[in-house]
Amino acid sequence: DGGITQSPKYLFRKEGQNVTLSCEQNLNHDAMYWYRQDPGQGLRLIYYSQIVNDFQKGDIAEGYSVSREKKESFPLTVTSAQKNPTAFYLCASNTGARGTEAFFGQGTRLTVV
Amino acid sequence: KNEVEQSPQNLTAQEGEFITINCSYSVGISALHWLQQHPGGGIVSLFMLSSGKKKHGRLIATINIQEKHSSLHITASHPRDSAVYICAVSGTYKYIFGTGTRLKVLA
Repeated sequence: DGGITQSPKYLFRKEGQNVTLSCEQNLNHDAMYWYRQDPGQGLRLIYYSQIVNDFQKGDIAEGYSVSREKKESFPLTVTSAQKNPTAFYLCASNTGARGTEAFFGQGTRLTVV
Repeated sequence: KNEVEQSPQNLTAQEGEFITINCSYSVGISALHWLQQHPGGGIVSLFMLSSGKKKHGRLIATINIQEKHSSLHITASHPRDSAVYICAVSGTYKYIFGTGTRLKVLA
C-alpha cells in the first residue's frame, strides 16, 4: 500500500543534541512538507520541498534543517539551535499541483529533556 | 486574527446526535480540506472541496466559496468519531490549518 512512513513514533533526546526525524513516501509525490504541532495551535510549516535537491523555508524554519536527496525521502534535523524542540512533528506529501490532497504520516513526538 | 478559524474548539455529544463543525477562512484558496486526527496523532484526509458538497458515509462536507465558509457534519454520531477535526485551506504550495475541533462522543 502506498503511504507515508515516519519514524520513530516517539523520540527522547537530551538538550543540546541534534536529532533527525525520518519521513519516507512511496506515493511518487514530488512535494513533501514538515509541520510542527503544539497544543492549541494549528500545524505550522517548517520546511517544504517541491522537487528533489530543492527545499524552501516555511514559517518556522529556525533551528531546523532538511535535505531532499531522493524523491522518497525528506528527513528533518532538529538542531540544538531550536529553542523549544519538544513538539509533535508531522510529515506530509502531495503531487505538488495546486490544491491537491495531502497525505500525512503518523507523526513523531519528540521530547527533549 | 487567524486565517482559518474553526468553531467550536471543543464539542461533547451523545451518541446518535447530529454534529456540525464550522470553518471560516479569510484567504483565497484552491481547495479546502477536512482532516481527522486521532489520539495517536496520525492525520487522515476526510474531504477535499473546491465547491458544493461531498458525502462519505455519515460524513458530509459543504463549502460556500462566496462566504468563505465550510461545514463538516456527522450524522448519527458514534464514540469512534471522537477525534480532533481540522480544517485546512490550500492555495499554491501551502496549506493553512485551523486549530482543530476536539470532538468527544459519549456512549
